Amino acid sequence: AQSVTQPDIHITVSEGASLELRCNYSYGATPYLFWYVQSPGQGLQLLLKYFSGDTLVQGIKGFEAEFKRSQSSFNLRKPSVHWSDAAEYFCAVGASAGNNRKLIWGLGTSLAVNP
Amino acid sequence: KAGVTQTPRYLIKTRGQQVTLSCSPISGHRSVSWYQQTPGQGLQFLFEYFSETQRNKGNFPGRFSGRQFSNSRSEMNVSTLELGDSALYLCASSFETEDTQYFGPGTRLTVL
Repeated sequence: AQSVTQPDIHITVSEGASLELRCNYSYGATPYLFWYVQSPGQGLQLLLKYFSGDTLVQGIKGFEAEFKRSQSSFNLRKPSVHWSDAAEYFCAVGASAGNNRKLIWGLGTSLAVNP
Repeated sequence: KAGVTQTPRYLIKTRGQQVTLSCSPISGHRSVSWYQQTPGQGLQFLFEYFSETQRNKGNFPGRFSGRQFSNSRSEMNVSTLELGDSALYLCASSFETEDTQYFGPGTRLTVL
């Protein structure tokens, strides 16, 4: 069955510390992978996406993610977290580059940032 | 350019009632999609409208319906509300179906 797992429901880091949010997927075809962020009272915002090519992708707000096919993972990283990064982060997988309607979504990881 | 706007932001209804949610897409965007977000199920696709026609549909009962107007604004209607319909309903717009979607802040629906 197709699925996306975000093992960490909640993570707390200190401002300035590095961050890694985990995402594992189960998908029968070549996956298109996405990370979104949802701040309180805000809609979902696309951070980055991977379709092919270099397995390390750069996104907005200083985020990057690495696709590891052998581990079926697409972990999100940031070298130094800012207080404004506190939000809910969602990983998603789909079969096409832009058709978000058929994405399979993880349940999210809530990130808290300590000053 | 203004983002996607949704009204109202919060709603409280009782079981059996019906509700209508509104979404105004980014200017120039013709595709509007609706999603239901709950803690247990995550984000689930409801339907997409493009140029006033339903283009894609998720696996929701017929109580969930929508429409799109000529100015691309969209409404979503839920009839005979159930407790399980309590959720954050997100609207997203894009120029074309295959383009990146931009999400609104959502409407928080509580069914009592």
